[in-house]
Parts: sequence; C-alpha cells; structure tokens
Amino acid sequence: DQQVKQNSPSLSVQEGRISILNCDYTNSMFDYFLWYKKYPAEGPTFLISISSIKDKNEDGRFTVFLNKSAKHLSLHIVPSQPGDSAVYFCAAGQLMNRDDKIIFGKGTRLHILP
Amino acid sequence: DVKVTQSSRYLVKRTGEKVFLECVQDMDHENMFWYRQDPGLGLRLIYFSYDVKMKEKGDIPEGYSVSREKKERFSLILESASTNQTSMYLCASSSSGIGSNEQYFGPGTRLTVT
Repeated sequence: DQQVKQNSPSLSVQEGRISILNCDYTNSMFDYFLWYKKYPAEGPTFLISISSIKDKNEDGRFTVFLNKSAKHLSLHIVPSQPGDSAVYFCAAGQLMNRDDKIIFGKGTRLHILP
Repeated sequence: DVKVTQSSRYLVKRTGEKVFLECVQDMDHENMFWYRQDPGLGLRLIYFSYDVKMKEKGDIPEGYSVSREKKERFSLILESASTNQTSMYLCASSSSGIGSNEQYFGPGTRLTVT
C-alpha cells in the first residue's frame, strides 16, 4: 500500500509558466514533507521541505503548499526554467523518528518546453 | 557541504557473483540508507542503519545484506547477483535528531547484472 502517491508520472510545462506537482499521502502520522529533484545518472538533491505546523514554505522560485485535511501537498515552480526538467520525488516522514526514515513517492518527470 | 560518495558510478557483474557497493559520508551522520531506483517504481528502501553495527530492513531487503563497521561507511552486499537486481543504487545519509528528516544522497551506482 503506497503511503505517498504521485499520481502524475509526467508533466509538460511551457518555459516561463508555472509548474505544479502534486502529492498525496495516507499516513496521518507524517509531519514532515520533502521534495527532491533528480537528474538522470545523479543522486536526488533536496529541494524544499515543510513541517505540518505550516501550510506554506517558499524558497525562491519554489513554494510548497500543505493541506493537512486533504492529506495533499503540492510544489509550485514559478517561473519554470529549462534546468527544471528532471524527476521530482515527494517524500514524507515523522520528525520524532530517530532514524529519519522517509517514504518516497514514485516521482513525476517534469519536461519544460521551450 | 555534505558529501556522500559511492565507490563506483557504473558496474557490470555476472549472475551469481558477490557484489559489494560501498558508500562513505563525511558529515558524521548517524543514519545511512540504501535505496534502489527503478523506472515507474520510485525510490525503494533496501536497508538502513541508525548507528554503527546496527541495521534495519527496509521495504525490499531480500537478496541483499549490509554492513556498518564504521560510522562513515555503509556497504550493500549482493550475495549472489541476479538479473532482477539490475538497477540504480543510491546511498543516503542524515543526521539524527529532531528537526529534519533531510537525507543527502550520493551520485548513485548503475549496476547491470548479465
């Protein structure tokens, strides 16, 4: 049973427009959420995170929104740039866990079109 | 800057061979993780360790074992490689404690078993 779901395997967005990547989770114990970006043949790199006490976190062009009642989060990229073409993974965990184990979604491949 | 290194970027092994994948981190992190990434399946946790000589099974431990003799090093062992273990293997580390579940990833090892 998938605890973190990214239902869109891929997404194409025009350069300069907004990219919105979505993620749903089922475990109400999750209280920390992360987004990672991955280029081919490289390891994932951390992008942005949010804890459950917030509903929004912003870092430059990247904003993550959290809707706890819907168990849904989204990553907004504005404006989208060619270098944003990558696979984006949503992940969730529990801050009180000693081992920092997080559960990843299957990823969404973002294509930025020229 | 956190650095997680993996011993090989690309590896080709024969069915039945014993395979060692090494991971080293230089940030004195307590937690270390091994994942595999396959198309359409995202990142799946194989094993993790929250302390030296400690190991915990992840979601897909079958066919794998691990070793953590030193804090900075976490090894993944394929006792008898099989073709279904052809994959991208990713190592990650994180600092224990409340506040963040952020994991730092190595560049990955693309393993092909023929």
